[in-house]
Amino acid sequence: KQEVTQIPAALSVPEGENLVLNCSFTDSAIYNLQWFRQDPGKGLTSLLLIQSSQREQTSGRLNASLDKSSGRSTLYIAASQPGDSATYLCAVVSRSGAGSYQLTFGKGTKLSVIP
Amino acid sequence: GAGVSQSPSNKVTEKGKDVELRCDPISGHTALYWYRQSLGQGLEFLIYFQGNSAPDKSGLPSDRFSAERTGGSVSTLTIQRTQQEDSAVYLCASSRTLRGRGGVSTDTQYFGPGTRLTVL
Repeated sequence: KQEVTQIPAALSVPEGENLVLNCSFTDSAIYNLQWFRQDPGKGLTSLLLIQSSQREQTSGRLNASLDKSSGRSTLYIAASQPGDSATYLCAVVSRSGAGSYQLTFGKGTKLSVIP
Repeated sequence: GAGVSQSPSNKVTEKGKDVELRCDPISGHTALYWYRQSLGQGLEFLIYFQGNSAPDKSGLPSDRFSAERTGGSVSTLTIQRTQQEDSAVYLCASSRTLRGRGGVSTDTQYFGPGTRLTVL
């Protein structure tokens, strides 16, 4: 059974600092990995999607890496801003059963960027 | 059961037919979300309910999609005149709503197992 763990559960940093969020998964046979942002009262916003054949994806100040063999992904946020405050979720899609696939989320890292 | 349940687990339909997907959230969870996941794609947000009202409908892909929630509990997602590109896994999630001095926020989302929709 796929399990996704995110560390730390919560993180508070001063504005302008670079930071790294970690995600690990137990079954390396994944289809893709996705990082989301969750704002209060809103649904999830997709940030970056990394296919299993890729090692990293970049979007603006965000960079996500994937090391499938070790079951790890990191989300790097450069020059953090108060608007980055949110909960960041990691999710993996992996095959299970006869042709079906499952989506497994981590519990998230709650980020607070202090002005 | 203590978790979010969805029905049916699998639905195969013909192009042009209407389908209705159901979500039973965790008891007491006032926030309810619908997402879909197409093969090879990430999770796509569709709609969010707070109680029976939907403050965020921004993700509905077309006017063929609609959703309602009654009694602050069960929600149904209806897709009219289904197209092959509607084939996906439709996920529902629910969460508590936290009301604090900073306003309203929602807690961790708990997801159901999903409904796999296949449009032939």
